[in-house]
Amino acid sequence: SQTIHQWPATLVQPVGSPLSLECTVEGTSNPNLYWYRQAAGRGLQLLFYSVGIGQISSEVPQNLSASRPQDRQFILSSKKLLLSDSGFYLCAWSVGEVNTQYFGPGTRLTVL
Amino acid sequence: GQSLEQPSEVTAVEGAIVQINCTYQTSGFYGLSWYQQHDGGAPTFLSYNGLDGLEETGRFSSFLSRSDSYGYLLLQELQMKDSASYFCAVRQTGANNLFFGTGTRLTVIP
Repeated sequence: SQTIHQWPATLVQPVGSPLSLECTVEGTSNPNLYWYRQAAGRGLQLLFYSVGIGQISSEVPQNLSASRPQDRQFILSSKKLLLSDSGFYLCAWSVGEVNTQYFGPGTRLTVL
Repeated sequence: GQSLEQPSEVTAVEGAIVQINCTYQTSGFYGLSWYQQHDGGAPTFLSYNGLDGLEETGRFSSFLSRSDSYGYLLLQELQMKDSASYFCAVRQTGANNLFFGTGTRLTVIP
């Protein structure tokens, strides 16, 4: 069966510090991978998606970047965090059917 | 561009039926999905409608009318554990991603 891992579960970082969040998927090959951000009590905002190794599509301009160094690994990064980067970051995957996405447990990021 | 409209909050009684509506505007359409998210948790997939009509999965059903750009999620025999946020999401033709609505917070009361 397929599983998706995200770490860390929670993170508190000072403004201006770097960020690296990692997501890995097991039990499937060549998945579509997604990074979403959710502000408290709000909807899901798509940040990046990837249909293959090294292929990254960005949905919104921001100080975040994403990379996909391996088929089942998706990394979200920032060189300098802003207060507005606080939120719940969710990684998701899909195979074949984009409408059916499976989410990881998420990382709750607080930037102080 | 695209937009999705859902009610922000709905309250219903345990054992009752509740309908959560979703209207969408998008250039090109490839299906409407529904996701459930409990407080502090990750969204989980509930259902998908690619064609007009009703899809049923246990106590949950989802309906789509493409001519009206409208869909709904129907929850029957409500249980306390159904208290959660529910999101509709659309996929545009040719896109490899979903656009999510802002969600409807359902509160089930005894």
